[in-house]
Amino acid sequence: DTAVSQTPKYLVTQMGNDKSIKCEQNLGHDTMYWYKQDSKKFLKIMFSYNNKELIINETVPNRFSPKSPDKAHLNLHINSLELGDSAVYFCASSQVGGKTNEKLFFGSGTQLSVL
Amino acid sequence: TQLLEQSPQFLSIQEGENLTVYCNSSSVFSSLQWYRQEPGEGPVLLVTVVTGGEVKKLKRLTFQFGDARKDSSLHITAAQPGDTGLYLCAGVSNTGFQKLVFGTGTRLLVSP
Repeated sequence: DTAVSQTPKYLVTQMGNDKSIKCEQNLGHDTMYWYKQDSKKFLKIMFSYNNKELIINETVPNRFSPKSPDKAHLNLHINSLELGDSAVYFCASSQVGGKTNEKLFFGSGTQLSVL
Repeated sequence: TQLLEQSPQFLSIQEGENLTVYCNSSSVFSSLQWYRQEPGEGPVLLVTVVTGGEVKKLKRLTFQFGDARKDSSLHITAAQPGDTGLYLCAGVSNTGFQKLVFGTGTRLLVSP
């Protein structure tokens, strides 16, 4: 059983399109995250939700809108895709969130390519 | 902005060699984690160090947290091809809701 699963694995689309990435965790965790990994492998947090409530919202263009219908799901919708949005997007979850020794469980990533 | 610089960025060695990866910052972190990421997969947590000066061992991997909690090192003894991957340190920020700040990454290639 995959703990954190995200779909699709690969997403190739044209500039200007709108796309969504879905994430689900079956670990019973309270907190979920979206991270972006650029071509240099730098991993940066975008959003964090705790029990469906937005906790962290980094400086991300408002074309990116996360949605958490319940604490097991955190989806990411991206409007008007741009070339610079090309990256690997990772969903992650942790049991509580905000703890010093919190362990994050990551999905296997969605590689987004904007042409 | 808290930054974690890792060195080296890339390391290519032969099986059996030893290596050390460094993770440095000017900021203090409440704890520091090390992850390993393989191609096409997400990072997987290896260890968390919490106390300044703490040393943790995981088989052939030794992790150390600096006394001032600003830096960390990962030492691998007798590297194996299975150690190949991207190693990421991540500091837990003290500002507001604690979040992970990831390092710049070290790509390790161990050849047979």
